[in-house]
Amino acid sequence: GAGVSQSPRYKVAKRGQDVALRCDPISGHVSLFWYQQALGQGPEFLTYFQNEAQLDKSGLPSDRFFAERPEGSVSTLKIQRTQQEDSAVYLCASSLAAGTSVKTQYFGPGTRLLVL
Amino acid sequence: DQQVKQNSPSLSVQEGRISILNCDYTNSMFDYFLWYKKYPAEGPTFLISISSIKDKNEDGRFTVFLNKSAKHLSLHIVPSQPGDSAVYFCAGGAGGTSYGKLTFGQGTILTVHP
Repeated sequence: GAGVSQSPRYKVAKRGQDVALRCDPISGHVSLFWYQQALGQGPEFLTYFQNEAQLDKSGLPSDRFFAERPEGSVSTLKIQRTQQEDSAVYLCASSLAAGTSVKTQYFGPGTRLLVL
Repeated sequence: DQQVKQNSPSLSVQEGRISILNCDYTNSMFDYFLWYKKYPAEGPTFLISISSIKDKNEDGRFTVFLNKSAKHLSLHIVPSQPGDSAVYFCAGGAGGTSYGKLTFGQGTILTVHP
């Protein structure tokens, strides 16, 4: 595909339900990022993968959040026992390998999660 | 601790005039900055970047200026068009061996009136 794709685009979950959000990065992009964007705010970093290795998960808000990228391409962000404060837009971005001076990230359309 | 700040929540400009969006940062470790544009229900779209070793980068109607001593950057859009109406985010990233995690500002809503 030409760009980063994410699914589903919208997800409504009942409090306590588990959800899984999928990201397909740009083909050949080694680096993959997840961000969380609350209403009226800028995106905030959650976690980073280089190929299949999760090198930074310092932004994950709690141990209910889990991300994986088992084959170094598609990634899944899983949220267990969702809470109302998890309601946000979850953005995935990918970029070429490290080594370039400016590491431009390209974003997907996001998944809007609403927890009731 | 907000490392990147966009202090103007909104900006309104007449079509054909210049739009100037501002961004301040506190983290001296940023090696480059990116501007993104975001329409409702879409992801951020990359607009333009600037390395910290430069003070200006231009791409068509878009120019980004960087003042390192003031820790300030700005995005100029000339001439502004109604289709430029969107939310604009600036973001800082660290270069070198860093993987490039981005730190974003809160965004500025630009409205260009016909």
